Amino acid sequence: DVKVTQSSRYLVKRTGEKVFLECVQDMDHENMFWYRQDPGLGLRLIYFSYDVKMKEKGDIPEGYSVSREKKERFSLILESASTNQTSMYLCASSLFGQDANYGYTFGSGTRLTVV
Amino acid sequence: AQTVTQSQPEMSVQEAETVTLSCTYDTSESDYYLFWYKQPPSRQMILVIRQEAYKQQNATENRFSVNFQKAAKSFSLKISDSQLGDAAMYFCAYIGYGQNFVFGPGTRLSVLP
Repeated sequence: DVKVTQSSRYLVKRTGEKVFLECVQDMDHENMFWYRQDPGLGLRLIYFSYDVKMKEKGDIPEGYSVSREKKERFSLILESASTNQTSMYLCASSLFGQDANYGYTFGSGTRLTVV
Repeated sequence: AQTVTQSQPEMSVQEAETVTLSCTYDTSESDYYLFWYKQPPSRQMILVIRQEAYKQQNATENRFSVNFQKAAKSFSLKISDSQLGDAAMYFCAYIGYGQNFVFGPGTRLSVLP
């Protein structure tokens, strides 16, 4: 069974801390994505990557960065966590190009609270 | 830019009854794909159904079916014989060629015993 695994289900961090959210997929997918999920706003794309060491900004990249050193791993970094980054973070992966139209596979999410 | 709208933030249905969740979208593309994803309390997003825009026939997966109206840019999800396990957030999503997914805000469905 294919999987996207997010390292933490819940995280509590202090304002100003550097936070790493890790995501690993075992499907050999080229594409990986980080979304933020907030009530009434749906899923908003933060960053995505189509290949190793490649990254592209999504719709709400401010305050975030990413790293993709290996094909299977895509990390989201909050350089200096703030309370407005308290949210649910979802990682997803997909095949490349038109095969992405078959849909994304999602992780189970990390609920991050910044205090 | 493409947008996806779900006008019903919350809905409820009696067990064994039928419910329809609404979704509209805005695009200038002619070829694209539409999806419904389910997010239960476990938070794992699950693909419910997928529709290819160039296909006129509405997609069906067991108790789940869609009413795809391309001209009206409408893509509603019908759940028949609702079960307690259908309780979840449902997200409508759009993807065009060479693009990333665009998600709606979601509809929270409650199933009443």
